[in-house]
Amino acid sequence: DTAVSQTPKYLVTQMGNDKSIKCEQNLGHDTMYWYKQDSKKFLKIMFSYNNKELIINETVPNRFSPKSPDKAHLNLHINSLELGDSAVYFCASSPRTVNTEAFFGQGTRLTVV
Amino acid sequence: EDQVTQSPEALRLQEGESSSLNCSYTVSGLRGLFWYRQDPGKGPEFLFTLYSAGEEKEKERLKATLTKKESFLHITAPKPEDSATYLCAVQALTGANNLFFGTGTRLTVIP
Repeated sequence: DTAVSQTPKYLVTQMGNDKSIKCEQNLGHDTMYWYKQDSKKFLKIMFSYNNKELIINETVPNRFSPKSPDKAHLNLHINSLELGDSAVYFCASSPRTVNTEAFFGQGTRLTVV
Repeated sequence: EDQVTQSPEALRLQEGESSSLNCSYTVSGLRGLFWYRQDPGKGPEFLFTLYSAGEEKEKERLKATLTKKESFLHITAPKPEDSATYLCAVQALTGANNLFFGTGTRLTVIP
């Protein structure tokens, strides 16, 4: 039973394309996140949702749009992909927004060519 | 601005050779400090949360400690399966409640 699952695991696409990454958690958590890990392994928060509502939106280009259809899902849609978007994207969830650990998915390695 | 610095960047140990990883942080009020382990091609796996200076947590060969400026992850008699990247993250009292990560220490334990 995978707690936080992301699809796809690998995504190779051309510049200018639009793509989506899906995330689902079966932990019953209220809060979900998207993180980006660059080539130097630095993990940076992109978005945070609590009960389907956006609570954190770091400095991320508006080509990135998260969508939470319900508490268990947080998808990431990316428009007009650029070379610099190549990275590993991690979805995570936690029981609440503070004083709690986050549980991460396996990551989606996005390569823009 | 919140900042997390981990050292060393990489560490090679012989099996059984104990050592410590360092996480120095600057944050406008610490809500919690988190340690994660990340294996290649996988997502970070939660290890510990520390909330106040003087707190310690242990799990098998790992022990995490916290002061007002830094945290240490002590590894006692490591085994090859302890090889991974260890990430430290802080959550601040004010502002956004997300985790702010360091760049990690890549640990290799040689048999």
